[in-house]
Amino acid sequence: QVHLQESGPGLVKSSETLSLTCSVSGDSISSYYWNWIRQAPGKGLEFIGYIHYSGRTGCSPSLESRVTMSLDTSKSQFSLRLSSVTAADTAVYFCAGSNRGWCFDLWGRGTLVTVSS
Amino acid sequence: QSALTQPPSASGSPGQSVTISCTGTSSDVGGYNYVSWYQQHPGKAPKLMIYEVVKRPSGVPDRFSGSKSGNTASLTVSGLQAEDEADYYCSSYAGGNNLLFGGGTRLTVL
Repeated sequence: QVHLQESGPGLVKSSETLSLTCSVSGDSISSYYWNWIRQAPGKGLEFIGYIHYSGRTGCSPSLESRVTMSLDTSKSQFSLRLSSVTAADTAVYFCAGSNRGWCFDLWGRGTLVTVSS
Repeated sequence: QSALTQPPSASGSPGQSVTISCTGTSSDVGGYNYVSWYQQHPGKAPKLMIYEVVKRPSGVPDRFSGSKSGNTASLTVSGLQAEDEADYYCSSYAGGNNLLFGGGTRLTVL
């Protein structure tokens, strides 16, 4: 059974960079596309982007200028960096895996990141 | 691009059927067969219920079904059960690296 676990600071200052890591266990990190999705408090889901072990990445047009994603096969981890954060970036950030087209089979529990001024 | 449009709420009594709609455009829902539906209970991660419009992942009860007509996709839950009470989100591929979600529908089992 594949398990995903997000980790990173729960509090980030405005204008700084949010950094999160997702640790994958139970299967090879090469088996899936790995994604980041967020959910602002009381709001709906928002797709951030994906990364594949081949190096292929893709990002939502609304966020791509601020997003960097990376993957470390040796650690079975993938990461998200979101720069120049504002209060609007306060959300629960989920990592998710997919091996079908444009849907997410596997989910982490999510981690709340609050942007403070 | 705007989020997909879902009704904010839906409800039904145990045993009844309820259908939740998800309206987009010809650039997303109507243009691709990559519509998915997720169930989310409070404080939990979403769970994939339907993918590629009509397909069910292993373990999802066949009470859940998906369909699409034009720019509108639908999720039908038949034989409503108390545990079906949750938020439901649709999503659709929208070209390039773009994936849109709906605003979510809160399903209440009366």
